[in-house]
Amino acid sequence: DGGITQSPKYLFRKEGQNVTLSCEQNLNHDAMYWYRQDPGQGLRLIYYSQIVNDFQKGDIAEGYSVSREKKESFPLTVTSAQKNPTAFYLCASKRDYGYTFGSGTRLTVV
Amino acid sequence: QKEVEQDPGPLSVPEGAIVSLNCTYSNSAFQYFMWYRQYSRKGPELLMYTYSSGNKEDGRFTAQVDKSSKYISLFIRDSQPSDSATYLCAMSGLMEYGNKLVFGAGTILRVKS
Repeated sequence: DGGITQSPKYLFRKEGQNVTLSCEQNLNHDAMYWYRQDPGQGLRLIYYSQIVNDFQKGDIAEGYSVSREKKESFPLTVTSAQKNPTAFYLCASKRDYGYTFGSGTRLTVV
Repeated sequence: QKEVEQDPGPLSVPEGAIVSLNCTYSNSAFQYFMWYRQYSRKGPELLMYTYSSGNKEDGRFTAQVDKSSKYISLFIRDSQPSDSATYLCAMSGLMEYGNKLVFGAGTILRVKS
């Protein structure tokens, strides 16, 4: 079955640590997106990529980094510069209309 | 002011009720309107998709778009406990390559049996 796979499902980060969230898709979609979801705030765009080796900042890119070396993969790194990283992170790819989402990664700072 | 406004709820209704969920927006360039359903600790899934103004029906679900009022609605008939979820509206301008969606905050719906 085609879809988007996010891993891990749960992730715990210590203060000052960088962590990387994985996003893999087998839908052959060119455009991919990372969103952060906090209670009562909906989805906020972190980064997006339209093609391999190209990506743009979204509305809340500070403290995050991405790479797009392969069409299928769009990993997100949450750096120590992100002061409030505890949230639910969603990866998506663009379909004919709308997006297809992964099942999300819940990141918690401990 | 946010581009898309959506009442976060929670909205609690008895089983079998008709549910009305709404969003307002400020950007007149929006042409594509979507509703996503998100169960707890899961990713959103596309429920309804509408282009420009008008109505679209799919089973128990009806999506309405009123571009003159910048107002969209999702109606759920004969609501079921399995409809309990967060409903997110989303919209965009031209659905060209890589165009971005703007999401509402989501409305929490609880259907009581």
